[in-house]
Amino acid sequence: KNEVEQSPQNLTAQEGEFITINCSYSVGISALHWLQQHPGGGIVSLFMLSSGKKKHGRLIATINIQEKHSSLHITASHPRDSAVYICAVTPLGGSQGNLIFGKGTKLSVKP
Amino acid sequence: DAGVTQSPTHLIKTRGQHVTLRCSPISGHKSVSWYQQVLGQGPQFIFQYYEKEERGRGNFPDRFSARQFPNYSSELNVNALLLGDSALYLCASTFYGGNTEAFFGQGTRLTVV
Repeated sequence: KNEVEQSPQNLTAQEGEFITINCSYSVGISALHWLQQHPGGGIVSLFMLSSGKKKHGRLIATINIQEKHSSLHITASHPRDSAVYICAVTPLGGSQGNLIFGKGTKLSVKP
Repeated sequence: DAGVTQSPTHLIKTRGQHVTLRCSPISGHKSVSWYQQVLGQGPQFIFQYYEKEERGRGNFPDRFSARQFPNYSSELNVNALLLGDSALYLCASTFYGGNTEAFFGQGTRLTVV
């Protein structure tokens, strides 16, 4: 069993829909990251959080440390949101340079 | 400021050959990490370097090695390439320690034939 599990693996939505991607982890962590990867390969950091909730534009990330669970929400989705969304964690005692990644959720938003 | 830069962007090598991948971190970042991402999987940690010293190593064979230079740039070397080494190799730069995010390069796509 992977230390970081994401669901769903694939997600297709219509433009304007509210989207939720889930992440569960089994190790103690000091931080959780949500990352975006476009087909070209480069990864962009969306959020780094250790408690509560963060919001940036149409993106919202929440984390429940007790339940070892995080969600990434996208409101009013748009075709340009199509990408792979990856959850990663910094294990306790580790550094931000040694992350454990989930397999990613491939999101496709149709116009 | 330039972001994390990696070179080359694409590379095709033959089994048994050796390859060197390069990474320049964001200005001011002293830590560089390397990850391997096989198609359809999340990235896997290979190495972290800080101040020219190895600070972490993932579960990869000794064919994989790396080093960091005084200007904090880094090289990843892979010897005796196998077909299974075909992957996207990502470099990330961070401040070492503290709660700051990692910044990733665009990656080097290595194909071993």
